[in-house]
Amino acid sequence: GAVVSQHPSRVICKSGTSVKIECRSLDFQATTMFWYRQFPKKSLMLMATSNEGSKATYEQGVEKDKFLINHASLTLSTLTVTSAHPEDSSFYICSARGIRGSEETQYFGPGTRLLVL
Amino acid sequence: GQQLNQSPQSMFIQEGEDVSMNCTSSSIFNTWLWYKQDPGEGPVLLIALYKAGELTSNGRLTAQFGITRKDSFLNISASIPSDVGIYFCAGRNGGGSQGNLIFGKGTKLSVKP
Repeated sequence: GAVVSQHPSRVICKSGTSVKIECRSLDFQATTMFWYRQFPKKSLMLMATSNEGSKATYEQGVEKDKFLINHASLTLSTLTVTSAHPEDSSFYICSARGIRGSEETQYFGPGTRLLVL
Repeated sequence: GQQLNQSPQSMFIQEGEDVSMNCTSSSIFNTWLWYKQDPGEGPVLLIALYKAGELTSNGRLTAQFGITRKDSFLNISASIPSDVGIYFCAGRNGGGSQGNLIFGKGTKLSVKP
């Protein structure tokens, strides 16, 4: 079954609005959560890394004021795309890293398809 | 920065054939992960490797962590149509908050029934 859930799976919004995407680790505590963006037929592009209770670390070129990340607990992280524009349309995938079983590994959510009109 | 070279970029095979893909790096990793991604979905973890030389199987999938810690391969035996998708290798050389995953560019697998 799913290890990491992501909600919503799809969202369509008007330009200028904000969209919040939730990522939850379902049966383990995620010490670190990651947010990726994926363009069609491309590999995953890391946007930011967050640890529970601390500020996210953003990759170069990713605007922290536009992509707000909150990692409030060991099982929940949120990404808010503020004042979304059509160029923000993309597939956003979260990932959670933690110890599940006996090893530390990293699982991905099912992704959120964002379309900004 | 670190890069992973994943090959082949794409494969077109007949159902029942075996498949092999690999990733190489100029840097050492202490973890190798293999994921499969279906269209419109997030990557699903297939196999995780934590020790150099480790050979791990998951059903028809087998992956190995290279002795040099700079490479890994994934084999799929007796392919079936549902194996279609994009396979990504990912490496990491740190734990905790360090050592983000470095991804290969993916291998797109097509299986002809």
